[in-house]
Amino acid sequence: QVQLQESGPGLVKPSQTLSLTCTVSGGSISSGGYYWSWIRQHPGKGLEWIGYIYYSGTTYYNPSLKSRVTISVDTSKNQFSLKLSSVTAADTAVYYCAREVLAVADNWFDPWGQGTLVTVSS
Amino acid sequence: DIQMTQSPSSLSASVGDRVTITCQASQDISNYLNWYQQKPGKAPNLLIYDASNLKTGVPSRFSGSGSGTDFTFTISSLQPEDIATYYCQQYDNLPRTFGQGTKVEIK
Repeated sequence: QVQLQESGPGLVKPSQTLSLTCTVSGGSISSGGYYWSWIRQHPGKGLEWIGYIYYSGTTYYNPSLKSRVTISVDTSKNQFSLKLSSVTAADTAVYYCAREVLAVADNWFDPWGQGTLVTVSS
Repeated sequence: DIQMTQSPSSLSASVGDRVTITCQASQDISNYLNWYQQKPGKAPNLLIYDASNLKTGVPSRFSGSGSGTDFTFTISSLQPEDIATYYCQQYDNLPRTFGQGTKVEIK
């Protein structure tokens, strides 16, 4: 079955750019019918949707983060990536990648990666 | 953005108890609602989609109902392995939004 795995630095300095990659295995990111998404969870808090990319490159970002977020896809590597610029301590969170399934009339996030903690600190 | 409000934020119940969590949307989202279970240190896991459809393999003690703005998630007989935080999530509109979570503990 499809599995997702996040990778990237666990520590980022303030004002720098957070960069994470999600590697998809067990299925092709180019198969269509899915949004490839990033979601984060601040320590001890709820879930915040960051945005998605379709295999064609179409993106949608959460307006609350839009000015700082870029999501890209590399179909040759079966990966998609997140860049978040000008980070502050408020961006410290566990970052998840997830597949949003686009069914006929319904969508859901499944599966999710295991998550990776990114700490913003000097 | 569509705001999702869950209640209670936490609850404590005994094994075998019926547990009910509510989720209210700030506007009509039809039945475009999912429920997830998140165990400590783990990623969320889909339990219910389209407000009431159980994901394949999920135990039948979990159920969901509702439409419009008011939704309910029920565990018919709480088991020790159900200790987790539960989240609702709407997909009627972008950005996708989640409830703040309900932490379920064993009394």
